[in-house]
Amino acid sequence: EVQLLESGGGLVEPGGSLRLSCAASGFTFTDAWMTWVRQVPGRGLEWVGRIQSKTNHETTDYAAPVKGRLTISRDDSKNMVYLQMNNLKSDDTAMYYCTAGLCIGTACHWDDAFEIWGQGTKVTVSS
Amino acid sequence: QSALTQPASVSGSPGQSITISCSGTSSDIGRYKYVSWYQQHPGKAPKLMIYEVSNRPSGVSDRFSGSKSGNTASLTISGLQAEDEADYYCSSYTGSTTLTLVVFGGGTKLTVL
Repeated sequence: EVQLLESGGGLVEPGGSLRLSCAASGFTFTDAWMTWVRQVPGRGLEWVGRIQSKTNHETTDYAAPVKGRLTISRDDSKNMVYLQMNNLKSDDTAMYYCTAGLCIGTACHWDDAFEIWGQGTKVTVSS
Repeated sequence: QSALTQPASVSGSPGQSITISCSGTSSDIGRYKYVSWYQQHPGKAPKLMIYEVSNRPSGVSDRFSGSKSGNTASLTISGLQAEDEADYYCSSYTGSTTLTLVVFGGGTKLTVL
């Protein structure tokens, strides 16, 4: 079964740090470019950032509001992707989803069509 | 890039058709064919319904269709069913690595009357 399972969310004070984890199974993780998307409660979705595969040098890109504070990494030996969150702000309060793109045969939509989603992990930044 | 613009809500009766619009700019929807639509039920993760403007992933009902004209994309749901009641989000690839690579709409709440 294709699955993503996030963990690591919780309550953290402004300025604090948190590391989210996402465990992947049921698909070829080493080929996958993994994306984090967040959703403020009762509001829309926001693209956070993406890490490419090792073949593509694990290149990362981030949304402007999180650049320099959030870092995505991966461990292909464990089928895991991580989101290290530093200097957290109240605006970072959201449900964080790990996602992977749609693949049809060898053609994959890593950056534009997110087919596989985890259940999300909630992050609350508050004093 | 700012979020794509969607109506806050739409409604329709069972069996009817509805269309949800998604307005962007020449830097996102107008430039790329990479427009997707997602359905989200309360408390659940989003589900991909449409990709590349008008393509349906395997398993998605053909009652869902997508289109694009200029800087505006649209999602049409025909033969509305009670289970279609959900929030719908559009997204577009932007190609920008300085602002955001993907931009989402603010979401549209569909009510089936």
